Amino acid sequence: GENVEQHPSTLSVQEGDSAVIKCTYSDSASNYFPWYKQELGKRPQLIIDIRSNVGEKKDQRIAVTLNKTAKHFSLHITETQPEDSAVYFCATGGTSYGKLTFGQGTILTVHP
Amino acid sequence: DTAVSQTPKYLVTQMGNDKSIKCEQNLGHDTMYWYKQDSKKFLKIMFSYNNKELIINETVPNRFSPKSPDKAHLNLHINSLELGDSAVYFCASSPSRGSYNEQFFGPGTRLTVL
Repeated sequence: GENVEQHPSTLSVQEGDSAVIKCTYSDSASNYFPWYKQELGKRPQLIIDIRSNVGEKKDQRIAVTLNKTAKHFSLHITETQPEDSAVYFCATGGTSYGKLTFGQGTILTVHP
Repeated sequence: DTAVSQTPKYLVTQMGNDKSIKCEQNLGHDTMYWYKQDSKKFLKIMFSYNNKELIINETVPNRFSPKSPDKAHLNLHINSLELGDSAVYFCASSPSRGSYNEQFFGPGTRLTVL
């Protein structure tokens, strides 16, 4: 089955800095790559996603890049703010009935 | 007008007991899911139903039995609870079972087995 590795497990940055989270996956049939944000004690929520026919997608301060050949994708957050502090999960999908396989999560802390 | 709701929010029970968690979505979605999030925050899918039909059944002990009375509801019944079942259980829904759909999560049910 699919295996998704996410790094780093924790990331600490100063407000205004950029943050990058990386994921690798094993199943070359995966064709959907969403990122979810989970604030403390809250539910995961989709923040951005990308399909396999696109190499990069941007939405204001967040962007995702995908390298299908190397089977990795990354989340980039620019001009970080304290409210960006949360756990971020990458996931892969597209192989089975909407099933998502999640990475282990990255705890991002943005210091004011 | 909560989109995906779950009850109860907290559940504390003794080992060996049987308990149920209920989920409802008012988004008109066809597909619903159960996820388990363990103490290390790892999110893993357990089951998925599409329009009352079971379509994903991961390697989950058969003490866990999902039931979908209609496409807006998905319940999870757990028999003979064990310490290792302690986790947060999230229900989610998506418009259909297709690959590219956003999944909308419920608020979670924190289950503690003593």
